[in-house]
Amino acid sequence: AQKITQTQPGMFVQEKEAVTLDCTYDTSDQSYGLFWYKQPSSGEMIFLIYQGSYDEQNATEGRYSLNFQKARKSANLVISASQLGDSAMYFCAMREARGAGGTSYGKLTFGQGTILTVHP
Amino acid sequence: DVKVTQSSRYLVKRTGEKVFLECVQDMDHENMFWYRQDPGLGLRLIYFSYDVKMKEKGDIPEGYSVSREKKERFSLILESASTNQTSMYLCASSLVGTGGEAFFGQGTRLTVV
Repeated sequence: AQKITQTQPGMFVQEKEAVTLDCTYDTSDQSYGLFWYKQPSSGEMIFLIYQGSYDEQNATEGRYSLNFQKARKSANLVISASQLGDSAMYFCAMREARGAGGTSYGKLTFGQGTILTVHP
Repeated sequence: DVKVTQSSRYLVKRTGEKVFLECVQDMDHENMFWYRQDPGLGLRLIYFSYDVKMKEKGDIPEGYSVSREKKERFSLILESASTNQTSMYLCASSLVGTGGEAFFGQGTRLTVV
């Protein structure tokens, strides 16, 4: 079963507008972490934002915020005031304390990604 | 400056060859990961290691093995390369636990002909 689901293969947004990228996750762990990464056309993976499962406040980093709804198991990324340089692939990821065998610690799995295109 | 270094940026190998992809990190991280990235499929976890000589299968381990003899180095081995293993391979490392971000290498574009 897919642990991380990103249902939007592609999204378009006008420059200076806000955009929300969707992410849902599946875990039975109580302790886990949620991440968003950006991958521009150059291929590098850039860490954007982190949300811990016990954090009560939604995480924010500059123009990025994470809309964390624990009961719905969703962790959507909101980018405010989009810029042309925001055009990239965006990945949602989850770190679980324990894997299927119960022996792992910090396993990191990713979703399928969403390609964001910002129009001028 | 933290670094994860993959030994090759581009690699072309023949079907049936044994292929080694090397990854080295200089951050004293316990966790290291190997992913493959294919269009529409995102990053899929092949194997990860949470300590020296400790490993766990990811979602797509078939056709791959790994080796971690030293903390800083994590190798991905394609025992007998096949054309369906043509892909971008990404290595990452992180501290143990659920809170630490992962740092990525630059990726290796492997083509099996």
